[in-house]
Amino acid sequence: GENVEQHPSTLSVQEGDSAVIKCTYSDSASNYFPWYKQELGKRPQLIIDIRSNVGEKKDQRIAVTLNKTAKHFSLHITETQPEDSAVYFCAATDSWGKLQFGAGTQVVVTP
Amino acid sequence: DTGVSQNPRHKITKRGQNVTFRCDPISEHNRLYWYRQTLGQGPEFLTYFQNEAQLEKSRLLSDRFSAERPKGSFSTLEIQRTEQGDSAMYLCASSSGEGPQHFGDGTRLSIL
Repeated sequence: GENVEQHPSTLSVQEGDSAVIKCTYSDSASNYFPWYKQELGKRPQLIIDIRSNVGEKKDQRIAVTLNKTAKHFSLHITETQPEDSAVYFCAATDSWGKLQFGAGTQVVVTP
Repeated sequence: DTGVSQNPRHKITKRGQNVTFRCDPISEHNRLYWYRQTLGQGPEFLTYFQNEAQLEKSRLLSDRFSAERPKGSFSTLEIQRTEQGDSAMYLCASSSGEGPQHFGDGTRLSIL
């Protein structure tokens, strides 16, 4: 089955700096890669996603890149703000179309 | 559209008791998923429905767990003879086909 690894597990950045989170996946049939943000005690919230026919997607300060050959994808957050502090999860679909999540990255943005 | 709704938000029960959770998906979403999340981990897939058909069950779902979606709308997840290890957040998500999955706030289960 699909296996998703996510790094780093914690990330501390100064406000205004960029944050990058990296994920790798194992199933070459995976074709959909969403990213979720989860604040303490709240639901995972979809922030951006990318499909395998696209190499990069951007939405304001957030961007995702996908390298299908290397089977890795990354989340980039620019000009970080304190409200970006949360746990971020990457995920990939397995061959059945269901999501396999990474273990999460705790992002702390310090003023 | 009020999003995915789950209730109860919290459930505290004694070991050995049965519990049932409910999920109301986003209207017109034909797929409904159940996940379990423990502290410090990502959501783990349990099972999913397309309309009323249960298409897949994870190995995590022992025979004490059962899920239904009788009319292809809301779904229930029942855990029988609860154990300490069942303590977790149970999340529901819905999607339109293979579109983005949107999550509810979850039901936090605590086993005494």
